[in-house]
Order: sequence, then C-alpha cells, then structure tokens
Amino acid sequence: DGGITQSPKYLFRKEGQNVTLSCEQNLNHDAMYWYRQDPGQGLRLIYYSQIVNDFQKGDIAEGYSVSREKKESFPLTVTSAQKNPTAFYLCASSIVAGPFYEQYFGPGTRLTVT
Amino acid sequence: EDQVTQSPEALRLQEGESSSLNCSYTVSGLRGLFWYRQDPGKGPEFLFTLYSAGEEKEKERLKATLTKKESFLHITAPKPEDSATYLCAVPWAGGTSYGKLTFGQGTILTVHP
Repeated sequence: DGGITQSPKYLFRKEGQNVTLSCEQNLNHDAMYWYRQDPGQGLRLIYYSQIVNDFQKGDIAEGYSVSREKKESFPLTVTSAQKNPTAFYLCASSIVAGPFYEQYFGPGTRLTVT
Repeated sequence: EDQVTQSPEALRLQEGESSSLNCSYTVSGLRGLFWYRQDPGKGPEFLFTLYSAGEEKEKERLKATLTKKESFLHITAPKPEDSATYLCAVPWAGGTSYGKLTFGQGTILTVHP
C-alpha cells in the first residue's frame, strides 16, 4: 500500500538535545513538507522540498533543519535552538503539477521535550 | 498576507442534526481550497479540492461548496463517527506557490448519539 510513514509515533527528549524525526513516502511524490501543529492552532509550515537536494524555509524554520538526499525521504531535525519544540509534527507529500495540488499526510510524531 | 478563518471553533450536534462549518479567507485572488478531516492524534485526511467559485463536491454525508469569499462544509444527518476536527486550507499566493498551503485553525465537531 502506498503512503507516508513517520517514526517514531512518540518521542521524548531532554532540553538541549537535537532530535531527528523520520518521514518516508512511497507515493512517488516529488514534493514533501513538514508542518508543526500546536493545540488550537492550524498547521504551520516548517520546511518544504520540491526536488531532491533542494528545500526552502517555511513560516517557522528557525531552530529546525532538513535534508532531501532521496526522493522518498525528508527527515527533520529539531535542534536545541528551537525555543519551544514540544508539538505534534506532521509530514506531507504531493505531486508537483498544475496550479496547486492536495497534500497527503503521515500519521505524525508527537515530540515532548522536558 | 493570506488569512484563513474557520467558524465555529467547536460544534456539538446530536446524531441526525444537520449543520454547516464555515471557512472564510482573505487572499489575493481565489486559487481554490482544500478540506481535510483530522482525528485526534492522527494526520489530516484529504476530503475535497474545490477549484472555483460555484463548485460543489460530495462524499457520503459531507458536501463542500465554494464562493469567492468562503467555503462551507455541510454535514447532513451526521453520525458519531463524523466527530473530528475539520480543516480547510488555501494555496499560497506568492510567486511560485509550489503547493504551499495556509491552514485555518479547524472546527472541532462532536456528534452525540
């Protein structure tokens, strides 16, 4: 079955530690995205990538980093510079064609930093 | 800057009680709109794409409509399993949009049996 996988589902870290969230897709989509969701707020875009080895900052990129070495994979690193990293992180992917196109989401990773 | 506002923030219905959710937006030119459903602790599930004003889409008990300034998600005779957060999103206007979306904050729908 085609889809997007994110791992782990729950992640706990101590303050000051970097942590990497995994996102893999087998939908053959060119574009991938990372969002952050906080209670009572909509999804906010962290980073996105349209093609391998290229990515752009979204609205809230500070304290985060990404890489896109393979079409299927788009890992997100939450660095110690992120002031409030506890949140629900969602990865998405889409085709790149036409004026706009729906995104498909993974199950999410809930990160708790104490 | 594009803004997307959903109302109400929360809606409680009895099973079978039809109602509507609203998504209004201030964007520089309508470029279409997406609706998603999100269950607690899960990723959003794609429901509909609406491309232009006047368009309607239906799926089971859900019907989405679009005008130049807002979209409605009509729920007819809802069931408890329709309980979820419903999100709308519009494509970014700037330059090469590349599918970037601006999301509303969502409407939490609870349907009681």
